[in-house]
Amino acid sequence: KAGVTQTPRYLIKTRGQQVTLSCSPISGHRSVSWYQQTPGQGLQFLFEYFSETQRNKGNFPGRFSGRQFSNSRSEMNVSTLELGDSALYLCASSFGGGQSDTQYFGPGTRLTVL
Amino acid sequence: AQSVTQLDSQVPVFEEAPVELRCNYSSSVSVYLFWYVQYPNQGLQLLLKYLSGSTLVKGINGFEAEFNKSQTSFHLRKPSVHISDTAEYFCAVSDKRTAGNKLTFGGGTRVLVKP
Repeated sequence: KAGVTQTPRYLIKTRGQQVTLSCSPISGHRSVSWYQQTPGQGLQFLFEYFSETQRNKGNFPGRFSGRQFSNSRSEMNVSTLELGDSALYLCASSFGGGQSDTQYFGPGTRLTVL
Repeated sequence: AQSVTQLDSQVPVFEEAPVELRCNYSSSVSVYLFWYVQYPNQGLQLLLKYLSGSTLVKGINGFEAEFNKSQTSFHLRKPSVHISDTAEYFCAVSDKRTAGNKLTFGGGTRVLVKP
């Protein structure tokens, strides 16, 4: 099976712009979660989608949003980019989305905001 | 809210020596426990997880971890490391009360294996 894929792998934007990141989960997986990784804050949970519904949300401002499509692919959007949004954004998928399920991570999208 | 503390931010270790990475979590609720590894420029890969039962959990690549409920710890060990074990290791928990897949991670421990 193909793993979790994320596109693009690298992205450079300027402050005030918006960005959309894409994640394709492992075939058959219905849960997709997003995490932000920075040197200062570490790995932080953004949100989780299951069957096109947002099921959990982390403590991030409303500029961060996401959605999931009927084929389980997910996108996250960040509007009005700030310098502090520079980070590695990781997507993870799991089969049933339960608390004990293993999450399989993609390689991430490295976002740089100038 | 859950919190996870990894007591060592960096651990240098010589090849073929043992290594232990420490992880403590807040005890307010029941959790599932995970260890993930991140190699440079890659995503995270599951090493092992504790759900229930035996407190000693064996994972991939010769790693094992021991769950200690009284000390709210889940330390990771490997008896003999290789150069290829150089990576960052993350301890994580998920809250049994919360529906869905939400992981709370510790700050990570960088392991540098020296020849």
